Amino acid sequence: NAGVTQTPKFQVLKTGQSMTLQCAQDMNHNSMYWYRQDPGMGLRLIYYSASEGTTDKGEVPNGYNVSRLNKREFSLRLESAAPSQTSVYFCASSEAAGAYQETQYFGPGTRLLVL
Amino acid sequence: AQSVAQPEDQVNVAEGNPLTVKCTYSVSGNPYLFWYVQYPNRGLQFLLKYITGDNLVKGSYGFEAEFNKSQTSFHLKKPSALVSDSALYFCAVRPVWGSARQLTFGSGTQLTVLP
Repeated sequence: NAGVTQTPKFQVLKTGQSMTLQCAQDMNHNSMYWYRQDPGMGLRLIYYSASEGTTDKGEVPNGYNVSRLNKREFSLRLESAAPSQTSVYFCASSEAAGAYQETQYFGPGTRLLVL
Repeated sequence: AQSVAQPEDQVNVAEGNPLTVKCTYSVSGNPYLFWYVQYPNRGLQFLLKYITGDNLVKGSYGFEAEFNKSQTSFHLKKPSALVSDSALYFCAVRPVWGSARQLTFGSGTQLTVLP
């Protein structure tokens, strides 16, 4: 049982390049989330998927797109990377869509540097 | 909109002494409150949560937190700190009712336990 896995662990991009961050969970969770972590700002929600087939914007969605490929997988795409997107990206999942008290489980993160 | 304040960026405590990491929140209605811990180069790990009932919540690794509705606080405590408790701690909140599925995180508090 690996929990939440993310690939790649680290990536360097040039401004304007595109890339997709992959996330998968093996806990049969319904909901999945993408956050970015910047120093002194905590975690900010980019996009989330309450259940398979649905996605919604979070606090900071601009410059990103997501795909809930199936129940296990939730990818985050940067179409044209900008230096402001340099950050650590975390994927998370939780058991029950609509259960507000559910605990989120986090992946190990992807460190992205945009030059 | 909900918010979380962690007023101390850094907390230093000697090993064996009690520790407190402070958190105050703002939310419409009643809150669900969470503490997460992040070790270097790792994802966030769930520590404990307040849903309802007893204001004193016990969690992993000997941590506990006290919900104080009148002061809108949810401070994390441990009676005797260990060097291995050194990490980044995040408080998070979401409302009990409402359409928002977003978990709002504080900016984090770096705890250093000195041997």
